[in-house]
Amino acid sequence: QQQVKQSPQSLIVQKGGISIINCAYENTAFDYFPWYQQFPGKGPALLIAIRPDVSEKKEGRFTISFNKSAKQFSLHIMDSQPGDSATYFCAARNTGFQKLVFGTGTRLLVSP
Amino acid sequence: DGGITQSPKYLFRKEGQNVTLSCEQNLNHDAMYWYRQDPGQGLRLIYYSQIVNDFQKGDIAEGYSVSREKKESFPLTVTSAQKNPTAFYLCASKDGGNQETQYFGPGTRLLVL
Repeated sequence: QQQVKQSPQSLIVQKGGISIINCAYENTAFDYFPWYQQFPGKGPALLIAIRPDVSEKKEGRFTISFNKSAKQFSLHIMDSQPGDSATYFCAARNTGFQKLVFGTGTRLLVSP
Repeated sequence: DGGITQSPKYLFRKEGQNVTLSCEQNLNHDAMYWYRQDPGQGLRLIYYSQIVNDFQKGDIAEGYSVSREKKESFPLTVTSAQKNPTAFYLCASKDGGNQETQYFGPGTRLLVL
């Protein structure tokens, strides 16, 4: 199964709060899990990525938590800021294939 | 200034018309990709190319065609067979081998008149 299921579809968080976006997959051949950030009218940009041999990766205010047994991974944005308001996509890459499968996206709004 | 450029930013298509979207990269990347983005559906892969003169269909290739005659260029043609072409089209590229990160261009919004 090549799908990656992402939730929630939209999220409103107050400034300073924690934003959490979840993704789930079925294909155990996925070996690379990136998160992309996209602002309106722009192309997505890589935010942070993780491999399945690591349970957590942190870069600044952004953390990926990875649960290999549950086949789930999530993005946590600590101390969320209005400038973080964007659409976030999770994705997964199948070993041996040079293409990504994307989730459907989460529109995050951080209120001032 | 390295990166991916897409042109035009906006494109209007008339019924029965073929239109071509441009994608150029100066990153010396081997692989290039075309995605279609619709609200609530994420990014769906149209075509991709791992080397010059070779390309493969993605998940939604019907009504589209591509060419890869040069490493830096991967144009996408939306043909009249594509009945619902209104969308945001994104081009991406990636270095070869096991390099993982795809870099995206700024996108082209296609609208039907």
